[in-house]
Amino acid sequence: GAGVSQTPSNKVTEKGKYVELRCDPISGHTALYWYRQSLGQGPEFLIYFQGTGAADDSGLPNDRFFAVRPEGSVSTLKIQRTERGDSAVYLCASSLTGGMNTEAFFGQGTRLTVV
Amino acid sequence: ILNVEQSPQSLHVQEGDSTNFTCSFPSSNFYALHWYRWETAKSPEALFVMTLNGDEKKKGRISATLNTKEGYSYLYIKGSQPEDSATYLCAFSNSGYALNFGKGTSLLVTP
Repeated sequence: GAGVSQTPSNKVTEKGKYVELRCDPISGHTALYWYRQSLGQGPEFLIYFQGTGAADDSGLPNDRFFAVRPEGSVSTLKIQRTERGDSAVYLCASSLTGGMNTEAFFGQGTRLTVV
Repeated sequence: ILNVEQSPQSLHVQEGDSTNFTCSFPSSNFYALHWYRWETAKSPEALFVMTLNGDEKKKGRISATLNTKEGYSYLYIKGSQPEDSATYLCAFSNSGYALNFGKGTSLLVTP
């Protein structure tokens, strides 16, 4: 069966540009998460969606970062005025209901490089 | 930010060796502890989700234990194989939905 799909797998952009990263979760999973892994660090939480709404966006680093999930399935992470420090692997995960007492399924990630 | 520590940072063993890694996490407000295996160019793959103090879980040659009172978990690999080479991530949750990851242990198994 299809897992979590993220596109693009790699993105190189110039400083100051706008980027969108897409996540297709497993069908039927109501919970969706975005994480970011910077070089030498573990993945860090960005945002959690339950259905269409962002239940917790406390991990978004600043107002240049925004994420949507308008129909409760596909999600897009949007980064405005990119900076070199935004370079990282952006991971998306989904789970059936959202409780962390069950498994979260991750995509392969989008490697973003800001030059 | 919840501090999740993993040790060692990296490990190089010979095929057939058994090995273990440690994950330490805050012992208060425990909800769940996850272990993931992340191979290069692939998705992180869940190995175990552990929720109860004293939990022991096993999948093939890999097993894990959990001590929530003292805040640590061990991951054991028996008879390491080259295909076990990967980064092993530990993640702790105290909120029921967000995971706080450690930096991982990078394992290399050579024939």
